[in-house]
Amino acid sequence: GENVEQHPSTLSVQEGDSAVIKCTYSDSASNYFPWYKQELGKRPQLIIDIRSNVGEKKDQRIAVTLNKTAKHFSLHITETQPEDSAVYFCAGEGGNEKLTFGTGTRLTIIP
Amino acid sequence: EPEVTQTPSHQVTQMGQEVILRCVPISNHLYFYWYRQILGQKVEFLVSFYNNEISEKSEIFDDQFSVERPDGSNFTLKIRSTKLEDSAMYFCASRQDAKNIQYFGAGTRLSVL
Repeated sequence: GENVEQHPSTLSVQEGDSAVIKCTYSDSASNYFPWYKQELGKRPQLIIDIRSNVGEKKDQRIAVTLNKTAKHFSLHITETQPEDSAVYFCAGEGGNEKLTFGTGTRLTIIP
Repeated sequence: EPEVTQTPSHQVTQMGQEVILRCVPISNHLYFYWYRQILGQKVEFLVSFYNNEISEKSEIFDDQFSVERPDGSNFTLKIRSTKLEDSAMYFCASRQDAKNIQYFGAGTRLSVL
C-alpha cells in the first residue's frame, strides 16, 4: 500500500520568513495530494491540494509543488504569520480513494 | 458553509463496552470515511463507504468495528468491545464524488478506561 513520509517533524521559522515541508510517497498510482492544517484539538482542514497532472499550484501565500518522477511534493508558505502555527499533514490518494497521511510537521512561527 | 458534524465530541467508556460514534455527512455527499488519530500521531484511515457498502478498510478495522448508514443522513462507527488502545480521536469525512476533496468533521475523542 501507499506510504507517505514527511519531513521535518518540527519546524520553527521567524515571522515573515518562508517555511517548506516535504513529503515523499511510494505508490506511483497516487494521483491526488492534499495538504491539511490542524490546529490543536481541531479538525484537519484542507489548505491546498494538487493533482498529478499539474506540477505546481499556488493560492496566495501557499504553494504546492509536485515531482511525479521523484515521487515527492512540497508545501511552501511565504511571509509566515503567527496564525500559520499548526501541525501540517500531507497526504496521498490513489485509485482506492483513501487518504494516506504523513506523520505531520509542527510548524511554529516565532514573532 | 455545510459541515460534517460528529457526536458526541467526547466519549468516555469502560474497556469491553460497546460505543457508537455518530456522523452526519454533508447532505449531497456520496462517499464516507472514518479515520482515527491517536494522540500526537498521524491520521490513519479506517474505512471507506459508498453505495451502502464498505469499499475499503484498513487492517486496523477488524471484526470489532462496523459501520452503518441507518438512514439518509447518519453514518455511524461501532466498536463492539472497546480496548484501551482504541483511545483516540475519530474523524468522519465525506466527499461529493471520488474526485472532490474530503471534508472532515470536528472529531469524537474516545477515551477507554
